[in-house]
Amino acid sequence: DGGITQSPKYLFRKEGQNVTLSCEQNLNHDAMYWYRQDPGQGLRLIYYSQIVNDFQKGDIAEGYSVSREKKESFPLTVTSAQKNPTAFYLCASSIGETGGYEQYFGPGTRLTVT
Amino acid sequence: GDSVTQMEGPVTLSEEAFLTINCTYTATGYPSLFWYVQYPGEGLQLLLKATKADDKGSNKGFEATYRKETTSFHLEKGSVQVSDSAVYFCALTAGDTGRRALTFGSGTRLQVQP
Repeated sequence: DGGITQSPKYLFRKEGQNVTLSCEQNLNHDAMYWYRQDPGQGLRLIYYSQIVNDFQKGDIAEGYSVSREKKESFPLTVTSAQKNPTAFYLCASSIGETGGYEQYFGPGTRLTVT
Repeated sequence: GDSVTQMEGPVTLSEEAFLTINCTYTATGYPSLFWYVQYPGEGLQLLLKATKADDKGSNKGFEATYRKETTSFHLEKGSVQVSDSAVYFCALTAGDTGRRALTFGSGTRLQVQP
């Protein structure tokens, strides 16, 4: 079955440590996205990538970094510079040009930093 | 910039009641509009979409009509079930910019009681 995989589902880290969240898709989608969700709020865009080896900052990119070396993979690193990293992180992908840019979401990773 | 405004929740209804969740938007050009649903601890699932004015999206008994004159995309369902309890997000993608990421509303929690 095609879809988006995020791992792990729960992640715990100590303050000051970098942590990398995994996102893999087998939908053959060109575009991939990372969103952050805080309790009671909508999703905010961190980074997005329209094509391999290219990515752009979203609305809240500070303290995060990404890479897009393969079409199917878009890992997100939460660095120690991110002031409030505890949140639910969602990865998404879309085919890009058709379907009104419909996006498909992974199950999410809940990151807790103490 | 683009924005989406949803009615605040929680919305609490009895089973078989009529549901309306209001959504209005601000965007340049001709956005595509979406409703996503999120069940507890999960990622988002596309519920329905509309890509141009006067289009009606529908799925699983839910409907929403793209009203350009009122910049609205209200979600409706004639008879809700307990299984519809979730958080509902209205979202858009701008039609005339290179950025194809979603802009989300803050979400509306629906609680359906038996």
